[in-house]
Amino acid sequence: NAGVTQTPKFQVLKTGQSMTLQCAQDMNHEYMSWYRQDPGMGLRLIHYSVGAGITDQGEVPNGYNVSRSTTEDFPLRLLSAAPSQTSVYFCASSYFFGEGTFRNTQYFGPGTRLTVL
Amino acid sequence: ELKVEQNPLFLSMQEGKNYTIYCNYSTTSDRLYWYRQDPGKSLESLFVLLSNGAVKQEGRLMASLDTKARLSTLHITAAVHDLSATYFCAVYGGATNKLIFGTGTLLAVQP
Repeated sequence: NAGVTQTPKFQVLKTGQSMTLQCAQDMNHEYMSWYRQDPGMGLRLIHYSVGAGITDQGEVPNGYNVSRSTTEDFPLRLLSAAPSQTSVYFCASSYFFGEGTFRNTQYFGPGTRLTVL
Repeated sequence: ELKVEQNPLFLSMQEGKNYTIYCNYSTTSDRLYWYRQDPGKSLESLFVLLSNGAVKQEGRLMASLDTKARLSTLHITAAVHDLSATYFCAVYGGATNKLIFGTGTLLAVQP
């Protein structure tokens, strides 16, 4: 298993540009989510999905769109990048249903470091 | 709205000492996670606590959950330098399906 993969690892954008951060998992997990990490702020939930075709907003959704057309993929779109979106972005996945530690462990991708100038 | 608070935010301790990190949360939950993050790296799952009174131990780290007090603790025994990292707790708001993180505790173990 490759686990949770994210691309790209690094990206520099200019204000107003758009881009998509890719996230994929090969563990057949129902639950996927996107977080951003900023110094002193911990991780803040942007959007999440409990299955294909179902998405919902997290704590800081403004400026970001998501879709979930397959179980494996959960891309995050920045429609018009702003300097405030400079951050490290993490994608995570887990099972959504079931009991026990194995079914409830969240797996994180390696992260994407985004800079918006 | 689910809020998760950790304290302390920064902890400098000497090797061999014991200490506890606290994680408080604001609404009912029966699922709590602890993660470790090394500088520039992703998050590594340490513990998943799924019920009131749950206790998990791995090496020098022990985590516990008190759902009635809405409190989890991460206890460090006889710290070693290799434990230096940032530790996060995260709480699952079942009704909302959201996993909310605390701000993290930066642990620095000095020789």
